[in-house]
Amino acid sequence: GAGVSQSPRYKVAKRGQDVALRCDPISGHVSLFWYQQALGQGPEFLTYFQNEAQLDKSGLPSDRFFAERPEGSVSTLKIQRTQQEDSAVYLCASSPPRRVGYEQYFGPGTRLTVT
Amino acid sequence: QKEVEQDPGPLSVPEGAIVSLNCTYSNSAFQYFMWYRQYSRKGPELLMYTYSSGNKEDGRFTAQVDKSSKYISLFIRDSQPSDSATYLCAMRQGGSEKLVFGKGTKLTVNP
Repeated sequence: GAGVSQSPRYKVAKRGQDVALRCDPISGHVSLFWYQQALGQGPEFLTYFQNEAQLDKSGLPSDRFFAERPEGSVSTLKIQRTQQEDSAVYLCASSPPRRVGYEQYFGPGTRLTVT
Repeated sequence: QKEVEQDPGPLSVPEGAIVSLNCTYSNSAFQYFMWYRQYSRKGPELLMYTYSSGNKEDGRFTAQVDKSSKYISLFIRDSQPSDSATYLCAMRQGGSEKLVFGKGTKLTVNP
């Protein structure tokens, strides 16, 4: 079946612009995660949803970052007034209900470059 | 000090070699341990998932966890050029959903 999809795959933004990154999780997966991966680093947790509820946003680096999942499926990560340090790959992952398994399935990521 | 430490390499080995990758961690609350493989320009994919101390084998891959030493390893036997990728260790506390990753080790297997 289809995996996690993300769009756009690549985004170039001028400093100060707002961007919106989209994640389509695997159908039936209740949990959805966003991670940020800087060049040469491992992914770092940003936020987590269970259905439409955002249960943990402790990793969001500033109030310029905002995530939503209004209907419990597609999620959008929005970054306002982008800065150069926001340049990274943004990964989305989803996982099935606990009774099924624990694995987080990752999408290919959106590579954001802020110029 | 980061919660999870992983030598970034790079590591270069000939085809057929045994590869050893490892991570150390400082948070004794970590209970679940994973190894992910990430090819260039792709998302991470899960290779191994372990809970208890000891060994877990899957084909050419063996994951080892030593909770007393806060040390985990991944061994790859008979390495192949297709194993060339970045290998990430990841950990999770019981009751938490978020994964904490190491920096990743870049592996190249030369034909």
